[in-house]
Amino acid sequence: KNQVEQSPQSLIILEGKNCTLQCNYTVSPFSNLRWYKQDTGRGPVSLTIMTFSENTKSNGRYTATLDADTKQSSLHITASQLSDSASYICVVLLTSGTYKYIFGTGTRLKVLA
Amino acid sequence: KAGVTQTPRYLIKTRGQQVTLSCSPISGHRSVSWYQQTPGQGLQFLFEYFSETQRNKGNFPGRFSGRQFSNSRSEMNVSTLELGDSALYLCASSLSGTGSGNTIYFGEGSWLTVV
Repeated sequence: KNQVEQSPQSLIILEGKNCTLQCNYTVSPFSNLRWYKQDTGRGPVSLTIMTFSENTKSNGRYTATLDADTKQSSLHITASQLSDSASYICVVLLTSGTYKYIFGTGTRLKVLA
Repeated sequence: KAGVTQTPRYLIKTRGQQVTLSCSPISGHRSVSWYQQTPGQGLQFLFEYFSETQRNKGNFPGRFSGRQFSNSRSEMNVSTLELGDSALYLCASSLSGTGSGNTIYFGEGSWLTVV
């Protein structure tokens, strides 16, 4: 079954600290993997997109990695800020037959002052 | 340029009623997709339209329908509303659609509450 699982479900860290969010997927075949940030009550905003041949992609303090062999991705946030408090969603594009996005249920991050 | 615009932002409906949500994509984008987001299920794909044609459909009952107009604007309709339809409905647009690898841009969503 094509699934995307994220861990942890929720995370609380202090401002200035680093953190890493995990995404494991069983989607196959897949074309690309994306990370989105969703503030409460708002629509998701794209952070990174990686094809299966890419290992890492950065966007400011956000760095995503992808290991297509182990089917794992991570999103590393450096020097966290209060504005990083949000849900982070991992999305994999399934390319078997019709294209379809498979969404993870997200990691809810809370950054405390 | 303007982002994806969804209307209305909030609405309350009664069980059994129907509702129509609207989405205006980013100018030049021809693909519009719709998603339902609930706390328990996360984001779930409803359907995708490209050049007025439904190109892809998720696993939702026939009460959920949509359409796209020649200017790429899209509407989705939910008939015979159920309490479980309460959710945030998100619209997203992209240049060429899901399979192209283009970034998809989400609107702010329409919060639907069914009472």
